[in-house]
Amino acid sequence: SQQGEEDPQALSIQEGENATMNCSYKTSINNLQWYRQNSGRGLVHLILIRSNEREKHSGRLRVTLDTSKKSSSLLITASRAADTASYFCATDQYSGAGSYQLTFGKGTKLSVIP
Amino acid sequence: DTAVSQTPKYLVTQMGNDKSIKCEQNLGHDTMYWYKQDSKKFLKIMFSYNNKELIINETVPNRFSPKSPDKAHLNLHINSLELGDSAVYFCASSQDMAGGAYNEQFFGPGTRLTVL
Repeated sequence: SQQGEEDPQALSIQEGENATMNCSYKTSINNLQWYRQNSGRGLVHLILIRSNEREKHSGRLRVTLDTSKKSSSLLITASRAADTASYFCATDQYSGAGSYQLTFGKGTKLSVIP
Repeated sequence: DTAVSQTPKYLVTQMGNDKSIKCEQNLGHDTMYWYKQDSKKFLKIMFSYNNKELIINETVPNRFSPKSPDKAHLNLHINSLELGDSAVYFCASSQDMAGGAYNEQFFGPGTRLTVL
């Protein structure tokens, strides 16, 4: 079943602006991951944040996690045309026998206009 | 060198045919996956294989069968293809399924399947 829901579904900004995407989920998680998918390509892992972390940075990316609200946000600062892609959150849920399964949301399509 | 590779990249076939998609990873990972991405970009897990054992089968029709000859390969065989099978299929791998950073997943480039 679908776990993560990204918001907005689509976002269009000018180059240099910041882009913020949100993800909400329904059940307890072990960690939450963000992935990027360029058009016609596979997904690429961006960042992982554990359930006991509140904020994490990686270059121009900043991810927050609020487990009380079951939500996460991905902020891309100083966006570039090359950031144009779809962004997915994925939640890591326990599936039994020591195994975890990733469940992906529907993604946010980001367009950065040069 | 490509970490996770899939063949073919495009597959166009008639309804009722049987087809296979191949996947190979050179990362030394223990777990491999197959996902289906529909036209609305929704990514749904189909199978996970951990050390050649099927771990998850998410209500996928039994026309779909994963086959893993060894830890580095997970092929997807589809019998009696239907129009609704048209989608992009992604293979992925992770170090294991133990959670945390170990299940960061590495994706292949995808196979676009079109059933006519």
